[in-house]
Amino acid sequence: KAGVTQTPRYLIKTRGQQVTLSCSPISGHRSVSWYQQTPGQGLQFLFEYFSETQRNKGNFPGRFSGRQFSNSRSEMNVSTLELGDSALYLCASSLVGGVEDGYTFGSGTRLTVV
Amino acid sequence: GQNIDQPTEMTATEGAIVQINCTYQTSGFNGLFWYQQHAGEAPTFLSYNVLDGLEEKGRFSSFLSRSKGYSYLLLKELQMKDSASYLCAVMDSNYQLIWGAGTKLIIKP
Repeated sequence: KAGVTQTPRYLIKTRGQQVTLSCSPISGHRSVSWYQQTPGQGLQFLFEYFSETQRNKGNFPGRFSGRQFSNSRSEMNVSTLELGDSALYLCASSLVGGVEDGYTFGSGTRLTVV
Repeated sequence: GQNIDQPTEMTATEGAIVQINCTYQTSGFNGLFWYQQHAGEAPTFLSYNVLDGLEEKGRFSSFLSRSKGYSYLLLKELQMKDSASYLCAVMDSNYQLIWGAGTKLIIKP
């Protein structure tokens, strides 16, 4: 059974550019959540999608957006990149986003903004 | 605001027992998760507690006291491969996971 796949694994971008990250959940999982992880900070919740609808949103500026497709694959977009956006971006999938099935994480995309 | 506190770093000896504490203040409670994250890797699910008490899974156990806003992860018979960060997360009333900053556990021979 394939795990959660995130592409690309590494990315270097320049300030002001935009970036799109991709996440393919485990087959059959309909919930995809996105997180930002920086050293010394906990995972910061970005948003959660379920059946192509954003179900939950964290406290990030509007430069961070996402979407989910009918096959449950999700993309996250960050526009007008800032140096502070350098982080590991993780996505996690679960069957229905409920509490009992747990969340399976992808290996993440490490974004460096220069 | 919502807050999850756990120690930044702990050191223990191979073969010993270590307890990693987590205290939380959140808007509502729909369960507490523990995850393990090795350096450069994805977090992996360890345990889920929603009722008070102790849940045991092999060498790992997790305890929850909702009235105290407190949980701990107990690791027994420590092995070198247990060196990792341990993340505590609480699901709030909006079913959003609130994460602690993680506890880096260093195992010494």
